[in-house]
Amino acid sequence: NAGVTQTPKFQVLKTGQSMTLQCAQDMNHNSMYWYRQDPGMGLRLIYYSASEGTTDKGEVPNGYNVSRLNKREFSLRLESAAPSQTSVYFCASSGRDRKYYEQYFGPGTRLTVT
Amino acid sequence: GENVGLHLPTLSVQEGDNSIINCAYSNSASDYFIWYKQESGKGPQFIIDIRSNMDKRQGQRVTVLLNKTVKHLSLQIAATQPGDSAVYFCAEKGLDWDDGLTFGKGTHLIIQP
Repeated sequence: NAGVTQTPKFQVLKTGQSMTLQCAQDMNHNSMYWYRQDPGMGLRLIYYSASEGTTDKGEVPNGYNVSRLNKREFSLRLESAAPSQTSVYFCASSGRDRKYYEQYFGPGTRLTVT
Repeated sequence: GENVGLHLPTLSVQEGDNSIINCAYSNSASDYFIWYKQESGKGPQFIIDIRSNMDKRQGQRVTVLLNKTVKHLSLQIAATQPGDSAVYFCAEKGLDWDDGLTFGKGTHLIIQP
């Protein structure tokens, strides 16, 4: 049981390049999330998906697109990277099998845009 | 919901002492809060949660207190250990079950030997 996995771990892009961050979970969770964390800051929600086939914007969606490929996988795409998108990106998932709510986070992708 | 915020960015305590990390929230409709621990280079890890119908919840060496009157919550860690060194975030959950979390800036807890 790997939990939430993310690829790649590190990435350097030039301004204007595109890339897709991959996320997968093996906990059979319905909901998945993408956050970004800037230095010295808390996490901010980019997009989330409450179930397969649905996606919704979070607090900071501009410049990003997402795809909920299936129940396990939720990808984040940067179509034209900008230096302001330099950040650490975390994917998370949550299920409904607990009395209380809990999100499980992946190890993060550290992205630098030059 | 409104963003949650923390009072102190860095807290340094002696190993074995108790530590208290504080968090304020501004949305009186908030009804669910979670504390996360984030070690360097890792994703946040769930510590403990509390709903608004509770004032206190205890886990292993951790206690969360919620004061709805002043919209304040705290995380108490008893008998701190070197492994407790990390950044601690409080997070507020939105009203819908599938909403994402709103995080505060975090408090860096440093355990001194």
